[in-house]
Amino acid sequence: KAGVTQTPRYLIKTRGQQVTLSCSPISGHRSVSWYQQTPGQGLQFLFEYFSETQRNKGNFPGRFSGRQFSNSRSEMNVSTLELGDSALYLCASNPIVAGGTDTQYFGPGTRLTVL
Amino acid sequence: AQSVTQLDSHVSVSEGTPVLLRCNYSSSYSPSLFWYVQHPNKGLQLLLKYTSAATLVKGINGFEAEFKKSETSFHLTKPSAHMSDAAEYFCVVSDLLAGANNLFFGTGTRLTVIP
Repeated sequence: KAGVTQTPRYLIKTRGQQVTLSCSPISGHRSVSWYQQTPGQGLQFLFEYFSETQRNKGNFPGRFSGRQFSNSRSEMNVSTLELGDSALYLCASNPIVAGGTDTQYFGPGTRLTVL
Repeated sequence: AQSVTQLDSHVSVSEGTPVLLRCNYSSSYSPSLFWYVQHPNKGLQLLLKYTSAATLVKGINGFEAEFKKSETSFHLTKPSAHMSDAAEYFCVVSDLLAGANNLFFGTGTRLTVIP
C-alpha cells in the first residue's frame, strides 16, 4: 500500500495570505489527523477528521481549519498567515478498526515558510 | 492530563555501543505509548507501540522499550548503535478518553552516533 502523501512538500507565502495543504491517507484509512511541528513548540495536535467530521481539535486559533472528503482525503487551511505559522505540517492516518490499533502513520509533511 | 517527558534533549553514543533514550509519562488511565523516529526533513516513522500487552515491546531496527508502571517510564533501548540511527526520537502517549487520535508528544531526543 502507498503511504500517506502530502502536497505540496514545500510552500512559501507572505503574511496575510492564506494557504491550503492536502493530505491523502493510506487506502482504507478513515481518520486523518494534522499536527504542527516548530522548533519552539515541538509537535502539537491541530485536529482530527473521521468520516468527514471533525471529532477532535487542539488548541489553535480559528484561522486554522480543515475538512475531509468522502474519499477520506483531507485539506487544512490557514487564513491570514502570520510569521509564527512557519512550520512543518504533518498529516497522519489511522485505520480505526474495531478493537484495533490507534497507531497513526505519518506523511512526509509540508514545510510552510511565511515571509 | 496526559503528557510525556523526555529526560534528555541530546544523547551522543559511539557506533556499536548501547543506546538509552529516557521517557517518563503521565496519564490518568492506562495509556498507549509509542516511540517515533524522525530523520532530517522526513516525516515520523513508528518504531514501536505499547498497548497493555507485554511490557517489553520489540520494534523495528533492533529497538525495544520496556513499560514500567511503577516508575511511569517507557525507555527506548538498542544494544548496538548504528550510524543510520542518528535522528530525532519522540516518545508519545495517547489516551482513549482524550481521543485516541490525539497524540501528546515529548520534546524529542536528538541521537548522535559517533563513528
